[in-house]
Amino acid sequence: DAKTTQPPSMDCAEGRAANLPCNHSTISGNEYVYWYRQIHSQGPQYIIHGLKNNETNEMASLIITEDRKSSTLILPHATLRDTAVYYCIVRVEPTDSWGKLQFGAGTQVVVTP
Amino acid sequence: DGGITQSPKYLFRKEGQNVTLSCEQNLNHDAMYWYRQDPGQGLRLIYYSQIVNDFQKGDIAEGYSVSREKKESFPLTVTSAQKNPTAFYLCASSISSDSYEQYFGPGTRLTVT
Repeated sequence: DAKTTQPPSMDCAEGRAANLPCNHSTISGNEYVYWYRQIHSQGPQYIIHGLKNNETNEMASLIITEDRKSSTLILPHATLRDTAVYYCIVRVEPTDSWGKLQFGAGTQVVVTP
Repeated sequence: DGGITQSPKYLFRKEGQNVTLSCEQNLNHDAMYWYRQDPGQGLRLIYYSQIVNDFQKGDIAEGYSVSREKKESFPLTVTSAQKNPTAFYLCASSISSDSYEQYFGPGTRLTVT
């Protein structure tokens, strides 16, 4: 069963901010939200993760709502190289105590000149 | 440079043949993973290994086998029992099985005819 819901695609103009939404209404209190991206025909790349506070690094910002049922990944100044599929993942914590990443279909982001 | 290598990038086999995909990492990571990706879909976990000489089935292990005799190597064998082996195969590693970031290799695209 799906843990996250993302729009299948979105476009963004180069130089503008890209705001990628993700719904995770069934998230548990100890589950983190992770974002990865996958450029065509390459392996995925970690972007950022968070529990309940907003996070920022050199690639992006992650905004998590207070009820933790949704989040937004922000690419502050999108470039053509940001064209990729972006995956929002809620980290599963099964009883055997290891964290598995469950990848859905993601959002295809196309940055246009 | 530290990283994960997968070889070859493209692999072609006849139906009924077993084939082994290579995955090597020099990151000194304990955990390693194999994922499968079909066109337009997210990644699905085949097998994972938390430590040398130990590995566990993921969500779609049927028709696949692995070994973990060395820390840096985690080869995947696609057997003739796998009904739909044509796919993009991705290997990943992480410092430990509960670390937040998985590092992915470039992938091997397997075509079986």
